[in-house]
Amino acid sequence: GQQLNQSPQSMFIQEGEDVSMNCTSSSIFNTWLWYKQEPGEGPVLLIALYKAGELTSNGRLTAQFGITRKDSFLNISASIPSDVGIYFCAGSSGSARQLTFGSGTQLTVLP
Amino acid sequence: KAGVTQTPRYLIKTRGQQVTLSCSPISGHRSVSWYQQTPGQGLQFLFEYFSETQRNKGNFPGRFSGRQFSNSRSEMNVSTLELGDSALYLCASSLGRRDYGYGYTFGSGTRLTVV
Repeated sequence: GQQLNQSPQSMFIQEGEDVSMNCTSSSIFNTWLWYKQEPGEGPVLLIALYKAGELTSNGRLTAQFGITRKDSFLNISASIPSDVGIYFCAGSSGSARQLTFGSGTQLTVLP
Repeated sequence: KAGVTQTPRYLIKTRGQQVTLSCSPISGHRSVSWYQQTPGQGLQFLFEYFSETQRNKGNFPGRFSGRQFSNSRSEMNVSTLELGDSALYLCASSLGRRDYGYGYTFGSGTRLTVV
């Protein structure tokens, strides 16, 4: 089945630093999504990408849909304490009405 | 507008019992999907319902089942609970159209503990 490799697994950064994480897939996806999950809550959608090569921003967040359609990255600029959480990539392909999730990146922002 | 509501938030069950979880989607959303989240396996797709019909199913045993009602509310049932069924069960709703990607809104989940 489809698998998503998300890296890094965890990151410890200083407040104000930029962050980058990525996902690669063994299969082609038509949609890439990035979610953030905080303790005790469900994932919250951050950015959605629908086209190969697409670069989309949401405030300090920027994500790109790789041109091979097998990868995506998420950048967070000038990190702040409220960026703490687990970030997940997710993809879907064809007419599949399901999301395949990466294993998550645990982000810790140190003051 | 109200988000996706899942009840109950926490549940403790004994091995061998069965459990029913409930999900009320965002008003107007006709698609409801269920995911299981565990530390070991991460987020895994269970099934998706649209207009009371199961459209897609993940790779879970038949003990896991679901249904959707005419008002789009959905329930999932797990029978003969096993210790490994302990997880956070998440429900997500969407409009169910081709652009469903950005329509996926998750609830806060139901934390099921099997003892």
